[in-house]
Amino acid sequence: EAQVTQNPRYLITVTGKKLTVTCSQNMNHEYMSWYRQDPGLGLRQIYYSMNVEVTDKGDVPEGYKVSRKEKRNFPLILESPSPNQTSLYFCASRPGGSYNEQFFGPGTRLTVL
Amino acid sequence: GENVEQHPSTLSVQEGDSAVIKCTYSDSASNYFPWYKQELGKRPQLIIDIRSNVGEKKDQRIAVTLNKTAKHFSLHITETQPEDSAVYFCAASIPGGGADGLTFGKGTHLIIQP
Repeated sequence: EAQVTQNPRYLITVTGKKLTVTCSQNMNHEYMSWYRQDPGLGLRQIYYSMNVEVTDKGDVPEGYKVSRKEKRNFPLILESPSPNQTSLYFCASRPGGSYNEQFFGPGTRLTVL
Repeated sequence: GENVEQHPSTLSVQEGDSAVIKCTYSDSASNYFPWYKQELGKRPQLIIDIRSNVGEKKDQRIAVTLNKTAKHFSLHITETQPEDSAVYFCAASIPGGGADGLTFGKGTHLIIQP
């Protein structure tokens, strides 16, 4: 089944404790992105990647890191999480080029205490 | 960069009536406009999209219209049903360049009243 997967789905952590949220897609998509969703603010892009070893900042990259060592994986790293990073996170992927549907993962609800 | 405004933030309609959600975008280079539906606790999923060379597109009870001159596009849902209750996001995409182009609106919470 073609899909985007994320782990963990739920995470409660404490300020300053490094964490990684994994994202994997099995559709051989070139593009992958991370978004955060907050009430009243919609979906805001954190980072994106157009292919292996090619990543760039989105609209809200502060406090996050990403890597794209393999085409299928695009982990999101929070080196020192803070309470303002409490949010619902979505990974997404789509084929390269224009006019292509973006497929979202199931989401990761992160709480930073 | 691109800026997408979406209105209203909340829309309540009676079951069977029509619902219209409107979006405006700022960059005239945008050429792809998808709409995503997010049910409670679920991921956003594409329901319809339109390219800039088309003025209107329909798929059963949903339709999208695009006015390139005014830089706005709208989602129309007719004969609304309870399962239409969800948050709807519009988005605009700028082709090429270095960016992975989708910019989303802030979402509209559509409530279908029985």
